[in-house]
Amino acid sequence: IAGITQAPTSQILAAGRRMTLRCTQDMRHNAMYWYRQDLGLGLRLIHYSNTAGTTGKGEVPDGYSVSRANTDDFPLTLASAVPSQTSVYFCASSNKEEGGELFFGEGSRLTVL
Amino acid sequence: GQNIDQPTEMTATEGAIVQINCTYQTSGFNGLFWYQQHAGEAPTFLSYNVLDGLEEKGRFSSFLSRSKGYSYLLLKELQMKDSASYLCAVRDSNYQLIWGAGTKLIIKP
Repeated sequence: IAGITQAPTSQILAAGRRMTLRCTQDMRHNAMYWYRQDLGLGLRLIHYSNTAGTTGKGEVPDGYSVSRANTDDFPLTLASAVPSQTSVYFCASSNKEEGGELFFGEGSRLTVL
Repeated sequence: GQNIDQPTEMTATEGAIVQINCTYQTSGFNGLFWYQQHAGEAPTFLSYNVLDGLEEKGRFSSFLSRSKGYSYLLLKELQMKDSASYLCAVRDSNYQLIWGAGTKLIIKP
């Protein structure tokens, strides 16, 4: 089934640990995004990639890094997790040539203790 | 700064009509999106407006006035499954999406 897959779906992590959230899409979309969603706030963009090999910083990039080695994969890494990074993380992709509608993964719920 | 405003919560009755408003102030405008998000799930695309006017898609319609920085999502013949959060997002001059905090719609029988 075509779409966008995230892993893990849920994780509890000790502060200071390193964590990578995985995201894979099979729609051949050129653009990919990582958002975090917190109660009472809108989706906030962490990092994005307009095409394979390029990445950019979003609204809240501090403490996070990404890579885009190929079209399909866009992992998000927390180098040293802190409790304020407790959130639901959504990966999304879009094809800008087709209007830019975002397709979202099912989300990764991360708790940092 | 950039800002998207929408009501935090609305309540409506099954079978009725509800209008969810969204006002925005952004650096440039390249389209407005509405997404639906059920609790614990990912957002899913509902509609896209880039020109003024009404776009109708089944029971859902979306309206845009660029001069007023205003949009609304109209849901007709409400069903219990329409209970969800509705997210308004504007694409700015840098083609980045600015998101509202969402409107939680509660449908009562």
